[in-house]
Amino acid sequence: SQKIEQNSEALNIQEGKTATLTCNYTNYSPAYLQWYRQDPGRGPVFLLLIRENEKEKRKERLKVTFDTTLKQSLFHITASQPADSATYLCALDATGGFKTIFGAGTRLFVKA
Amino acid sequence: GAGVSQSPSNKVTEKGKDVELRCDPISGHTALYWYRQSLGQGLEFLIYFQGNSAPDKSGLPSDRFSAERTGGSVSTLTIQRTQQEDSAVYLCASSFGSSTGGYGYTFGSGTRLTVV
Repeated sequence: SQKIEQNSEALNIQEGKTATLTCNYTNYSPAYLQWYRQDPGRGPVFLLLIRENEKEKRKERLKVTFDTTLKQSLFHITASQPADSATYLCALDATGGFKTIFGAGTRLFVKA
Repeated sequence: GAGVSQSPSNKVTEKGKDVELRCDPISGHTALYWYRQSLGQGLEFLIYFQGNSAPDKSGLPSDRFSAERTGGSVSTLTIQRTQQEDSAVYLCASSFGSSTGGYGYTFGSGTRLTVV
């Protein structure tokens, strides 16, 4: 069955460093991959979408890569700030399907 | 409206009662989705609407769960004879097109349902 794996351990980094989060998937041929941010008690907020024919996408301090051979996406936050502390969710749209499947998320803590 | 609105924000109900959760999507968004999120878990897909029709109901856990959407806008998720395992945060999202159109979702803040 289709599966998305994100590191369940929290990631702790120092302010100013680059945070890198990983999303791996199996039994899947996604057309799109999305990253969301979720704060406690709130719904996820859409950050970036990358298509299967794109290798990399950037938005301000965010960068996403998509390797369909490795079945992996990396999400980078450069010059991280304490305000970046949140849970980050990876999500995949199945080709020809209607729904988006979400990973369980990775909690990021950025220390001042 | 400016965002996706869900009500109530919190609901505590007794086991066996029926509950209705409401979602008001962003005006003009044709696609609407219901997900639920249990503590520390990922989002579990429930149902997808395109306009008023539901092409994908595959995520509804049992026949106690139903959803409708009227006028291509407001949606209601109904859970009959609630059970304790139904306790979760129920999230609604809308988007301009279907998920395969490559549009990100806009989520509401969710309804936290607690069945006691």
